Amino acid sequence: GNSVTQMEGPVTLSEEAFLTINCTYTATGYPSLFWYVQYPGEGLQLLLKATKADDKGSNKGFEATYRKETTSFHLEKGSVQVSDSAVYFCALSGGSGNTGKLIFGQGTTLQVKP
Amino acid sequence: DAGVIQSPRHEVTEMGQEVTLRCKLISGHNSLFWYRQTMMRGLELLIYFNNNVPIDDSGMPEDRFSAKMPNASFSTLKIQPSEPRDSAVYFCASSSQGQNSPLHFGNGTRLTVT
Repeated sequence: GNSVTQMEGPVTLSEEAFLTINCTYTATGYPSLFWYVQYPGEGLQLLLKATKADDKGSNKGFEATYRKETTSFHLEKGSVQVSDSAVYFCALSGGSGNTGKLIFGQGTTLQVKP
Repeated sequence: DAGVIQSPRHEVTEMGQEVTLRCKLISGHNSLFWYRQTMMRGLELLIYFNNNVPIDDSGMPEDRFSAKMPNASFSTLKIQPSEPRDSAVYFCASSSQGQNSPLHFGNGTRLTVT
């Protein structure tokens, strides 16, 4: 079945450091890929998405490129801020045999220190 | 747009009691998802509906859990009888149909069963 695997956290960085959170997926067909962010005490919020191969999703300085050849959707940001501290979830939707539900990775906690 | 609204935000109850969690969808959305989040298991999909019809309830832990959509804009998740292992944060999310449509999450209900 379809699945998503994220790098384990927590990831601890200093402010202005470069961020990469790895995400790989297993799916047949052509899924859509998403990154969600969860701040403490809140629900998940969509951060960015990509709906086909080679698409790049971007928002708030974060980027991720849909790589079908490596089945990856790694999240990057050039310079993190303390306010980026949160849990980040990679997810996929669609593809063959998927009835429309969103499949999440296990989440990666990011902590940014001043 | 008020977003997905969940109530209550916090619920503390004793083992054996009935618990009802409530969710109001975003107007115009026709897919509804219930998730449970714990430290041990992460984010688990319990059940989801399209156009008020349950599509996949394979994530519902056992018969003590039930979910309904009495109308297109409202859903309940009921646990009867509740047990300490049900303690978690329960999220409701809604979306328009289609694999490219992102989920919009509520802020969750933190349930504690003593």
